[in-house]
Amino acid sequence: NAGVMQNPRHLVRRRGQEARLRCSPMKGHSHVYWYRQLPEEGLKFMVYLQKENIIDESGMPKERFSAEFPKEGPSILRIQQVVRGDSAAYFCASSPETGAETQYFGPGTRLLVL
Amino acid sequence: QQQVKQSPQSLIVQKGGISIINCAYENTAFDYFPWYQQFPGKGPALLIAIRPDVSEKKEGRFTISFNKSAKQFSLHIMDSQPGDSATYFCAATKETGANNLFFGTGTRLTVIP
Repeated sequence: NAGVMQNPRHLVRRRGQEARLRCSPMKGHSHVYWYRQLPEEGLKFMVYLQKENIIDESGMPKERFSAEFPKEGPSILRIQQVVRGDSAAYFCASSPETGAETQYFGPGTRLLVL
Repeated sequence: QQQVKQSPQSLIVQKGGISIINCAYENTAFDYFPWYQQFPGKGPALLIAIRPDVSEKKEGRFTISFNKSAKQFSLHIMDSQPGDSATYFCAATKETGANNLFFGTGTRLTVIP
């Protein structure tokens, strides 16, 4: 049973470009969470999605960031017009049901904005 | 506002020694406290977790101690090994109805042979 998959593992963008991060949850999991980890900091919650629905986006910046989890395909975290401050590791977690304690994390995408 | 405070930021321990990492929280509604282990280039992996109905939980060489009145919990790694060298994060959440984990800032543990 494959774990949570994220791609790309590393992404380099210039300021003003768009970044798309993908997350495929574990088989049978329909809940996806995105977290951001800034250097020397812990992970911070961004958004929680179920299939085709955003349930909680309280941790997501109001501008430039969006997330989706379509009926078919991976969850996408999209960052428009990236700035240097967006450089971070972005982790996706999935769970089979609602409940933060059952989350399994992917290996992350390291985004570097030049 | 940091919901969970973790210390120390880094820790160096001799092989065979005891590693101790401490965390404190403010929100009394939190009722689930996991610890995660993260190796470089990898995602966090659940190591051990505790609920506040017990004061201690042990799994192999890893023990969580929990002090509800002080709102503190700690991870003890007995007989530390070089393979334990990693970054450890404590976290907290409400078990029911919660969507997200609140993480500490992490402790980079190095176990020297």
